Amino acid sequence: DAGVIQSPRHEVTEMGQEVTLRCKPISGHNSLFWYRQTMMRGLELLIYFNNNVPIDDSGMPEDRFSAKMPNASFSTLKIQPSEPRDSAVYFCASSLEVLAKNIQYFGAGTRLSVL
Amino acid sequence: SQQGEEDPQALSIQEGENATMNCSYKTSINNLQWYRQNSGRGLVHLILIRSNEREKHSGRLRVTLDTSKKSSSLLITASRAADTASYFCATLIGGTSYGKLTFGQGTILTVHP
Repeated sequence: DAGVIQSPRHEVTEMGQEVTLRCKPISGHNSLFWYRQTMMRGLELLIYFNNNVPIDDSGMPEDRFSAKMPNASFSTLKIQPSEPRDSAVYFCASSLEVLAKNIQYFGAGTRLSVL
Repeated sequence: SQQGEEDPQALSIQEGENATMNCSYKTSINNLQWYRQNSGRGLVHLILIRSNEREKHSGRLRVTLDTSKKSSSLLITASRAADTASYFCATLIGGTSYGKLTFGQGTILTVHP
């Protein structure tokens, strides 16, 4: 298996622009997670889906952030409009929830720089 | 506040020495997991210990769990330069039917050749 695939790996944009991050989870996994990592705040859970349904979006910073999972093999995280404080590494992870294990597999991340 | 908090924040040792990292948490858990993150990479799962287990081994890794103290430790024996990374504990809250993990801030381990 190719693992969790994220694109792009790097994104540089200007303040006010729309940014879309993409994630392809591991085939057969039923949960998907979006995280944001910064030096100041560490690893923060933004939102997670179970069977394509958003379960917990309490970590989404504000209305500028939105996430979708139209099917089991694809998810997007959109920031519109982007701001410099959104600069961070965004990770997508997936897991198969079975036997109360919930081991998460992470993608390589998207490093976002908002100028 | 963080559910899982690691201690120390940073650890620097020589190759061949053992490295011990600690994690404390606040609420009851279903399981506790340790992950490693190499610079510029995503997190990688290392080992999982369930709430009814006290110790677990995997290669050079040894994890202990003390639910009465709400704490866990990760021991890496005979460390190598390649073990240099950040290490995170993550807890699956007890009673939940969903897979939301809460990660700590991590311990940065540096192993000098």
